[in-house]
Amino acid sequence: KAGVTQTPRYLIKTRGQQVTLSCSPISGHRSVSWYQQTPGQGLQFLFEYFSETQRNKGNFPGRFSGRQFSNSRSEMNVSTLELGDSALYLCASSAATGGYNSPLHFGNGTRLTVT
Amino acid sequence: KNEVEQSPQNLTAQEGEFITINCSYSVGISALHWLQQHPGGGIVSLFMLSSGKKKHGRLIATINIQEKHSSLHITASHPRDSAVYICAVPNSGGSNYKLTFGKGTLLTVNP
Repeated sequence: KAGVTQTPRYLIKTRGQQVTLSCSPISGHRSVSWYQQTPGQGLQFLFEYFSETQRNKGNFPGRFSGRQFSNSRSEMNVSTLELGDSALYLCASSAATGGYNSPLHFGNGTRLTVT
Repeated sequence: KNEVEQSPQNLTAQEGEFITINCSYSVGISALHWLQQHPGGGIVSLFMLSSGKKKHGRLIATINIQEKHSSLHITASHPRDSAVYICAVPNSGGSNYKLTFGKGTLLTVNP
């Protein structure tokens, strides 16, 4: 079974631009979560989608948004990029069906650098 | 919001040693995650546990719900165990995937 696939692996953008990151979950997984990792703040939760609906959101500004498609693939978008958005963005999928006993499967991440 | 404390922050061991990493959290939870991150970024979920003890190979995770504390043990450590180990717990009122993460424990196992 293919794992969680994130594209692209690396991205360099300029301040003020916007960026879209993609995540393809493990086949059959309906929950996709996104996390940001920076040296200063560590890992932080961004949002979680389940069956095309945002189920939870972390404490990030509205410039961070996401969506999930009917095939469970998810995208996150960051608009008006700031230097502080430079980070490793990780997504994780789970077979969770509303219960909480399914572990997370992480992708390799997208490393975003904002210059 | 759940607060998560991990200790130690850094740990250096000799191959073969028994390793323990601790995690304490502030708010009652339904499940706790132990994650492993190697240089380069990829994260692997080691355990998701809500009570008692789980074992996978040389790794053992325990949790004490009453004391809000979990431990990750590595028996007969090996250089390939060198990684950052992170515990994570759900924020109160959120799903099991709206996680608060510990700062991680950097483990280095020398041959």
